[in-house]
Order: sequence, then structure tokens, then C-alpha cells
Amino acid sequence: DVKVTQSSRYLVKRTGEKVFLECVQDMDHENMFWYRQDPGLGLRLIYFSYDVKMKEKGDIPEGYSVSREKKERFSLILESASTNQTSMYLCASSLTGTGANVLTFGAGSRLTVL
Amino acid sequence: ELKVEQNPLFLSMQEGKNYTIYCNYSTTSDRLYWYRQDPGKSLESLFVLLSNGAVKQEGRLMASLDTKARLSTLHITAAVHDLSATYFCAVGSGNTPLVFGKGTRLSVIA
Repeated sequence: DVKVTQSSRYLVKRTGEKVFLECVQDMDHENMFWYRQDPGLGLRLIYFSYDVKMKEKGDIPEGYSVSREKKERFSLILESASTNQTSMYLCASSLTGTGANVLTFGAGSRLTVL
Repeated sequence: ELKVEQNPLFLSMQEGKNYTIYCNYSTTSDRLYWYRQDPGKSLESLFVLLSNGAVKQEGRLMASLDTKARLSTLHITAAVHDLSATYFCAVGSGNTPLVFGKGTRLSVIA
């Protein structure tokens, strides 16, 4: 069973705090992704990575950064949290190459910024 | 730029009825996925459709893909309460990240 584990299910932070969201997958997937999910907006891609130390901006990277020092771990960083970053954050991973390459999602991290 | 549009966004169905959710996408793509999300939970893969005319079925759900029309449908047969969830389609091409529709919130009522 592919597992994508997000370290925190629920977090409450204050405006201006630095926030780390950790994601670990155990199936040797090359690709990892961070999405945020908001009511009425669906899933929006923040950042993704196709390899260690590699990162690419998604559709809404502003206010976020990422780190991928090891293949299995992809961290999302909010340098200075703001209230408009209150959201559900979903990490996902997949294989690369041809084929179905189904995205497997973690359980999500619900962040509230006060 | 790839855009994915789902409709309806909200769907209230009576148990036992049939209905179809539509997913249109704007540019040529080679992969289409359907995901299910239960309230408070993450997304779970339902179907992967990789070629024109592909049809996949599981239980009361059947998904199909028409690449020429850039359209996928998710058909629900004889709905039951357990199917209440939000359903997302997602489209991709090559190794580019998937683009998701906004989701269809399905509520099955007695």
C-alpha cells in the first residue's frame, strides 16, 4: 500500500509565524506535489518536484516555499503565515514515466492562521 | 493552458435514481482521472482513463472518456447514500502536473 503521510492533521498558527508542513511517502515515487484546497476553488497546485533538490512553481506559489532534500520527503514552508493561507493542504506523490501514474494523496493538513 | 470544467458543482439525488457528472477539458490530454473525497478526508483514486473510448466500471459508478470531444462522464446508477461525496476529475498530459476540476458535491437523499 502506497502511503503518503502528512505530519500534522490540524495546526493553528498566528499571523507572521513560520510554518512547516511535512510530507513523507514510502513507495519511492519520483514526483511529489503540494496542493491547497478551498471551498468552491477545488485543488490548486502550489509547488511540485520531480526529483531530489528540484522544485517547480505551480499555479499559486506566492507566500510559499518548498524543500526536497531526500526523495521521500517534501516540505512546504510558509515563511510568514497570513490569514489568507488558512486552508486544507494536501500532499501527493506519483511515479514518473508512461503509464497511469496515479496521484496518491496524504490525509491532509488543515491549517488555521489567526 | 489546460482548463478543466465539471458540472454540475452540486447535485442532490434521490436514492435509486441515475445521474451523470460531466468533465470537459480544454486541450489535448492523454490521462484523465476520477477521484472521490469524503467529508474531512483526502482524495481517493476511482478511475484512470488513458485512451479514447475507455470505459471503467466499479459498482454503481461508470466512467468513460471521449478524447475527441474532450469530455469524460461519471455515470451513477441507482444511487445509494454511501455514494454521497465530492467527485473530482483531473486531467494531465505527459508528465505535467494534473489539473483538477472544482469538484461535484453529490448528496444522495432517501
